[in-house]
Amino acid sequence: AQSVTQLDSQVPVFEEAPVELRCNYSSSVSVYLFWYVQYPNQGLQLLLKYLSGSTLVESINGFEAEFNKSQTSFHLRKPSVHISDTAEYFCAVTTRGGGGNKLTFGTGTQLKVEL
Amino acid sequence: KAGVTQTPRYLIKTRGQQVTLSCSPISGHRSVSWYQQTPGQGLQFLFEYFSETQRNKGNFPGRFSGRQFSNSRSEMNVSTLELGDSALYLCASSLGTGTRDNEQFFGPGTRLTVL
Repeated sequence: AQSVTQLDSQVPVFEEAPVELRCNYSSSVSVYLFWYVQYPNQGLQLLLKYLSGSTLVESINGFEAEFNKSQTSFHLRKPSVHISDTAEYFCAVTTRGGGGNKLTFGTGTQLKVEL
Repeated sequence: KAGVTQTPRYLIKTRGQQVTLSCSPISGHRSVSWYQQTPGQGLQFLFEYFSETQRNKGNFPGRFSGRQFSNSRSEMNVSTLELGDSALYLCASSLGTGTRDNEQFFGPGTRLTVL
């Protein structure tokens, strides 16, 4: 079984400031890691994913996340946030290999960008 | 390509009733997964269907059931509704072939309110 911990339920930050949303996971097997974003009254959108290879993954809108196996972490960072980044962010894991799709999510971090 | 669609978007029911929610996946996707999102429990996996067969199941009571049709459309049913079933129900579709790049695409969700 896997579990995901997002320690920060809310993160307020001023526009153009850097931000880090923390994610730690626990699993007895190898996993794939994801960050999803949810805007109000909408479903989830995939922001970025780590499957294998380079431990640093980037999204098209400036977010990046680094897989750290020794610390079992997958923190999300952005060097300069925009008002439009205000949303809820979910970290998720799924087991590597076959066996179908079952995402285990963290409890989410509400990012609020202020002027 | 059209995205994942879910109907209805909003639903109000009373305790004891039953409800059926529908999900139409992206064309060509054979896997459909269902998730329940509540403020208290967060995002929880309900079940996954692939080629009309349930492939994975979460820890929900038997009142929650689902099925998938030959065109990959899926329905989930909740019988004997309880107040605690009030939630946003999200559907996600993917190719489902078990490849490492098996991204799940989420629909906008169905908001169920039980009175």
